[in-house]
Amino acid sequence: QIMLTQQAESLWISPGERVSITCRASQSLLYTDGKHYLSWYQQRPGQTTKALIYHASVRTDGVPTRFIGSGSGTEFTLSIEHVQPEDFAIYYCLQTLKSPLTFGSGTKLEIK
Amino acid sequence: EVQLVESGGGLVQPGRSMKLSCAASGFTFSDYYMAWVRQAPKKGLEWVASISYEGSSTYYGDSVKGRFTISRDNAKSTLYLQMNSLRSEDTATYYCARHEDGGDWFAYWGQGTLVTVSS
Repeated sequence: QIMLTQQAESLWISPGERVSITCRASQSLLYTDGKHYLSWYQQRPGQTTKALIYHASVRTDGVPTRFIGSGSGTEFTLSIEHVQPEDFAIYYCLQTLKSPLTFGSGTKLEIK
Repeated sequence: EVQLVESGGGLVQPGRSMKLSCAASGFTFSDYYMAWVRQAPKKGLEWVASISYEGSSTYYGDSVKGRFTISRDNAKSTLYLQMNSLRSEDTATYYCARHEDGGDWFAYWGQGTLVTVSS
């Protein structure tokens, strides 16, 4: 199965700063259609899990432009510019290229 | 507004069975692949199973293959997860999720239902 590694379990930052969360795949997530099957999700207490990015870099409807997905092949990054108080949450990457679908272990964004 | 509402969780003894339901509304249920994802207490997300539009194709994670069965009733806009031979490691909150683009990502998630497997 494809393993996804999110190296950082936690990241401490101050509101207004920029942060990058990385996700490394054990094999390329590029399919023959030219798309990367990597998406990003946000989990906040008391709220439903929210999709932020799909195909590595496409923001879902309504997601603020401060959320930026990038990367290719096996290395992917979710960047958040000018972090807002509501962004302190846990972030997961997910690969849907091959079954079984697999998630990264999650990165918790914490207030410094 | 898309809504996914899970039900059926609770306390169950090891080795017993339980069936979860997910009532969908706000979209044409039969137009989407659906899935179950779970999260053990204080742990990360784990994909459990997915099902195609009409239910003819199903896919399972290795840890539940042969014990869990995903199904759907498009007339009732409801997704199911039949869980047999439950183990303590199946203790988790189970989320219903709607696939997008035939399976590329999960656009919507429910609030989840907690399943606790314990004697």
